[in-house]
Amino acid sequence: QVQLKESGPGLVQPSQTLSLTCTVSGFSLTSYHVHWVRQPPGKGLEWMGVMWSDGDTSYNSALKSRLSISRDTSKSQVFLKMSSLQTEDTATYYCARVSTEGIGDYFDYWGQGVMVTVSS
Amino acid sequence: EIVLTQSPTTMAASPGEKVTLTCRASSSVSYMHWYQQKSGASPKLWIYDTSNRASGVPNRFSGSGSGTSYSLTISSMETEDAATYYCQQWSSNPLTFGSGTKLEIK
Repeated sequence: QVQLKESGPGLVQPSQTLSLTCTVSGFSLTSYHVHWVRQPPGKGLEWMGVMWSDGDTSYNSALKSRLSISRDTSKSQVFLKMSSLQTEDTATYYCARVSTEGIGDYFDYWGQGVMVTVSS
Repeated sequence: EIVLTQSPTTMAASPGEKVTLTCRASSSVSYMHWYQQKSGASPKLWIYDTSNRASGVPNRFSGSGSGTSYSLTISSMETEDAATYYCQQWSSNPLTFGSGTKLEIK
């Protein structure tokens, strides 16, 4: 069955770089787009960026200067790296898959999320 | 960027009550999608392409709308429907979410 699972450090120091991994199963990264979405505690959802199925990437312009998304198709993994972390980057980070059914672009499967706290 | 404004921000409904949640877009979008999120859990796809229920979603839920105004309706509120609901669009870059409506049981 389709699964996505985020992993990474729960605590990052200010100004450091965050590295997260999304490991997927049940589908191929060359057939589906995978996005990163984050959610600060008690707040709403923010789109961060996408790894397109063809290997290209797109980013939220508000984060573009700090964000990098890459992948390893042989390991079915998508990676997120975000630099210069600040306390406002404290959030739960999700990876999510875009459905190929339907007409619009929407997320049919989400990972469980990984909580990242930025603190010294 | 298309801003999605959800209303109300918070509401409480009694079991059996009809509930309507609204999502207004700052510019016209082709489709709206909705997610349900319960505390401590990941969002779940609830309504896609404006009016299609995701797998397993009870038929008391329906979605409608066009252009800049969309809604999610619960025909008869049940306890398990208490959650936060988010709308989402990607008719225009960047992909955006509404700020959510927290729906509580009265």
